[in-house]
This record gives sequence, C-alpha cells and structure tokens, in this order.
Amino acid sequence: QKEVEQDPGPLSVPEGAIVSLNCTYSNSAFQYFMWYRQYSRKGPELLMYTYSSGNKEDGRFTAQVDKSSKYISLFIRDSQPSDSATYLCAMSVSQAGTALIFGKGTTLSVSS
Amino acid sequence: DGGITQSPKYLFRKEGQNVTLSCEQNLNHDAMYWYRQDPGQGLRLIYYSQIVNDFQKGDIAEGYSVSREKKESFPLTVTSAQKNPTAFYLCASTLQGGNQPQHFGDGTRLSIL
Repeated sequence: QKEVEQDPGPLSVPEGAIVSLNCTYSNSAFQYFMWYRQYSRKGPELLMYTYSSGNKEDGRFTAQVDKSSKYISLFIRDSQPSDSATYLCAMSVSQAGTALIFGKGTTLSVSS
Repeated sequence: DGGITQSPKYLFRKEGQNVTLSCEQNLNHDAMYWYRQDPGQGLRLIYYSQIVNDFQKGDIAEGYSVSREKKESFPLTVTSAQKNPTAFYLCASTLQGGNQPQHFGDGTRLSIL
C-alpha cells in the first residue's frame, strides 16, 4: 500500500461546479497536510496548509482533514477555467524540515 | 520579490555528461530540497539539506549529487550514472522551525540528446 493515494483523474467539470478532490493515506503519524496547485510546466503553488483534523477555508477553497479515516479533501466552489490544473496533496510528520510525501496529483479541467 | 529561482528552464544532456541544475532562494529559508517529477509518478525526493554544509539522501539519490556551501544556494548535479535523467526537476525551500510549508521554484526540464 502506497503511503499517499490520489486518483489521477482526469476530472472534467463545467464552469461553476463544485469540485471535490481527495487523498487517502496510511501513515497515522502525518500531522501536516497541504494542497498544491500546479499549472503545466510550472512549479507547485501552495493553496492550503492545515494541521491535524478539521476544516480550513480560503475564498473558494475549503480543505478538510479527517485523521480518524486518514482522508483529506479539497473543495473548490464556483469553479473557473483558471482552476484547470493538477492538484497535488502532500503531507508530513511533525518533525520540522523533513520532506513531504506527495500524492500523484489529480488533473482538473474546468470548461466554460 | 522573494522567491526561488531555478535555472536553466530547459536543459539537454549528452550521453556520459554531467549537468548541474541551479537553485537559488532569497527567502532566508534554512532547508532546501530537490524533487524529481515524472508523468504519473508524483514528486519524489532526491536530496535535502537542513543547514549549510550538510545534506541527506532522499528516496532516489542514486546518480545525483548536491552541495550546500551557501544558505541561499543548493545546486543539483545529474551525473552520467543516472541512466534515466529525463524528468522535471523541482527545488523547494522552507524555514526550519514551526513546520512551515515548502515553497517551490518553477522547475528545470531535463532531456537527453
């Protein structure tokens, strides 16, 4: 079993739809959870950063962490064509400075 | 503007040649990382460094080497021993304390001639 599982998609939705992106993980030591957005031929851009369980909202984006189920989600409301990108989940244990463990990324396409 | 600069954007390697990818950051970050990204594989850690003059191997260090002589610089050399070097290489950095998130540069795409 891989440490972090993420459905690669592709996921295609119409403009204005609510998008749900998910990752599951196996290591219960993970404490910090991130979502990155990556456009083609660019580096990943940090979208959301959460610690432990709970929800965090930033504009149209909501991140949820359920540590009991080892499951994290990113919701995008009112999706826009500019949201078309690959979304990577990442996580780390509590030790500062250690490397992140990434999912393989989900490719999202939002059509106008 | 603070950020992470990777150069060159595109790089071509000939058979048996070593090539060096540059990564510079002006964020005053302590830790720096090199990842490799292949289609369908996600990001895999090559090397990381938490302080100057010290670095550790990641999951796929074979065929690569690094140095950390300055806090702001963490160059990656892809040696001739790396038999499948074609990939997108990403450099990241973060502050050492407080479990800060990593921030990435815009990558270098390496191809074989």
